Amino acid sequence: DAGITQSPRHKVTETGTPVTLRCHQTENHRYMYWYRQDPGHGLRLIHYSYGVKDTDKGEVSDGYSVSRSKTEDFLLTLESATSSQTSVYFCAISESTRGATDTQYFGPGTRLTVL
Amino acid sequence: QKEVEQNSGPLSVPEGAIASLNCTYSDRGSQSFFWYRQYSGKSPELIMFIYSNGDKEDGRFTAQLNKASQYVSLLIRDSQPSDSATYLCAVVRSQGNLIFGKGTKLSVKP
Repeated sequence: DAGITQSPRHKVTETGTPVTLRCHQTENHRYMYWYRQDPGHGLRLIHYSYGVKDTDKGEVSDGYSVSRSKTEDFLLTLESATSSQTSVYFCAISESTRGATDTQYFGPGTRLTVL
Repeated sequence: QKEVEQNSGPLSVPEGAIASLNCTYSDRGSQSFFWYRQYSGKSPELIMFIYSNGDKEDGRFTAQLNKASQYVSLLIRDSQPSDSATYLCAVVRSQGNLIFGKGTKLSVKP
């Protein structure tokens, strides 16, 4: 298994509170991703990182921010959580985005409930 | 047209049969194609990737790619109840980002 951990694994919070999810990898892969998975929508990319301090938006980035201060850590922050952000969040990593090393490997996920 | 389309299922097959999972994609410039398996409540795990037209076999799994038809499939031979899961097709678009289908739920009946 790829060395990816996510914390917390489960979280219940209230609308309007800030929430930070952490993804940690031990593979030294350059690329890291945050996805959310919802019934009827599948996996959708929120943000991704292509290096320390280098990040970019995905298709559903509104309401989310990210930071990557070290190769191994990628943080996802919900500045003011809303009920529509109730979801399962997955972190993924890959060596590259092209060619034979573009395979993404997923962490165990974080189940977030916003009341 | 959705970027990556899969039948949602459920696809039900008897134990020992061949399960055939299909996926179509819209970006003709796509170069890399992946099949992930996801058990309920778990994260997606990679089954196979394929980059070239034709078939690629790995144990009981065969991925088939036809870029002209923009079609990729996964065959599971000798299906087992443990193969019951949702199978996600994913495609790296020409811009380099990975797009997932919504998945096909497979049920293998003993």
